[in-house]
Amino acid sequence: GENVEQHPSTLSVQEGDSAVIKCTYSDSASNYFPWYKQELGKRPQLIIDIRSNVGEKKDQRIAVTLNKTAKHFSLHITETQPEDSAVYFCAASEFSGGYNKLIFGAGTRLAVHP
Amino acid sequence: GAGVSQSPRYKVAKRGQDVALRCDPISGHVSLFWYQQALGQGPEFLTYFQNEAQLDKSGLPSDRFFAERPEGSVSTLKIQRTQQEDSAVYLCASSRTGGDGEAFFGQGTRLTVV
Repeated sequence: GENVEQHPSTLSVQEGDSAVIKCTYSDSASNYFPWYKQELGKRPQLIIDIRSNVGEKKDQRIAVTLNKTAKHFSLHITETQPEDSAVYFCAASEFSGGYNKLIFGAGTRLAVHP
Repeated sequence: GAGVSQSPRYKVAKRGQDVALRCDPISGHVSLFWYQQALGQGPEFLTYFQNEAQLDKSGLPSDRFFAERPEGSVSTLKIQRTQQEDSAVYLCASSRTGGDGEAFFGQGTRLTVV
């Protein structure tokens, strides 16, 4: 089955700096890669996703890149703000039987210091 | 409701007790997933429903775990004879379709087995 590795586990940046989180996956059949943000005690919320037919996607300060050959994808946050502080999870979708079963990484705790 | 609703938010159970966790998905969503999130980890897949049909229960850790969605809307995750290792946050997610839709998460039920 699919396995997703995520690095780093913690990341501390100064406000205004960029933050990069990297994930690798094992199943070449995976074709959907969402990123979720989870604030303390709250639900995971989708912030951006990418499909395997696209190499890069941007949404304001957030971008995701995908390298299918190397089986890795990354989240880039530019001009970080204190409200970006949260745990970020990457996931890969193991498309099986007509549905997307998300396999998550272990998470990255991002701290943005004013 | 506007989002996925889970109840109770918190549950403390004595070891050996049975518990039932409820999930109210977004109205009209076909797909419903249960995930288990241990402290400091990413969500781990437990089971998947498409309408009332349980199509995948490969992530259920033991036969003490049972899930149902009898009318294709509300779902219940039941854990029998709870053990300390069952302590975790149990997240429910729903999506409009199974194959291509964003998964919306509930806030989860934090289960503590003492």
